[in-house]
Amino acid sequence: DVKVTQSSRYLVKRTGEKVFLECVQDMDHENMFWYRQDPGLGLRLIYFSYDVKMKEKGDIPEGYSVSREKKERFSLILESASTNQTSMYLCASSPRGRGISQPQHFGDGTRLSIL
Amino acid sequence: GENVEQHPSTLSVQEGDSAVIKCTYSDSASNYFPWYKQELGKRPQLIIDIRSNVGEKKDQRIAVTLNKTAKHFSLHITETQPEDSAVYFCAASNNAGNMLTFGGGTRLMVKP
Repeated sequence: DVKVTQSSRYLVKRTGEKVFLECVQDMDHENMFWYRQDPGLGLRLIYFSYDVKMKEKGDIPEGYSVSREKKERFSLILESASTNQTSMYLCASSPRGRGISQPQHFGDGTRLSIL
Repeated sequence: GENVEQHPSTLSVQEGDSAVIKCTYSDSASNYFPWYKQELGKRPQLIIDIRSNVGEKKDQRIAVTLNKTAKHFSLHITETQPEDSAVYFCAASNNAGNMLTFGGGTRLMVKP
């Protein structure tokens, strides 16, 4: 079974802090994703990575950056946290489909509060 | 880019009744449509998916239908049970097949 592990379930940080959210998957998946989940807005893609050191912006990348130095690990970075970044953050992974879409597997999420 | 609309945002049914959730998408090149169930405090889990070369797919009490011409797809749950209570998300792939755009979610409540 695919396991996607996010380092923290709950995190409280202060405005202006640099925040790191970590995600690790154990299935050798090429693709990894960071989403933000807010009520009524569904899951919105922040960034996507299809290989080590490769990344693509999603729908809401402003205020965020990512790092993928190893295949199994994908980090989301809030460069200078703001209160409007208080949210649930979900990491997901999927195998490369070679032209055929593949299901994404999610972690348990990190509920981040910025005070 | 892709836009996915999901309706209704909340749905309340009696145990044993059927529930239907509908989604529309904008990109005619989308070819993969998964549905996820998220129970309170838990991760989204894939419950069923359908590809564009199929019009309907069933798995026990759940089924998904796809109308490519009209660009909409629906989730049908029959004989609902209290454990079906959750938030359900539909999604559609981009034309490269490597990203998903999600609908806003439907909170389903099954009353015993």
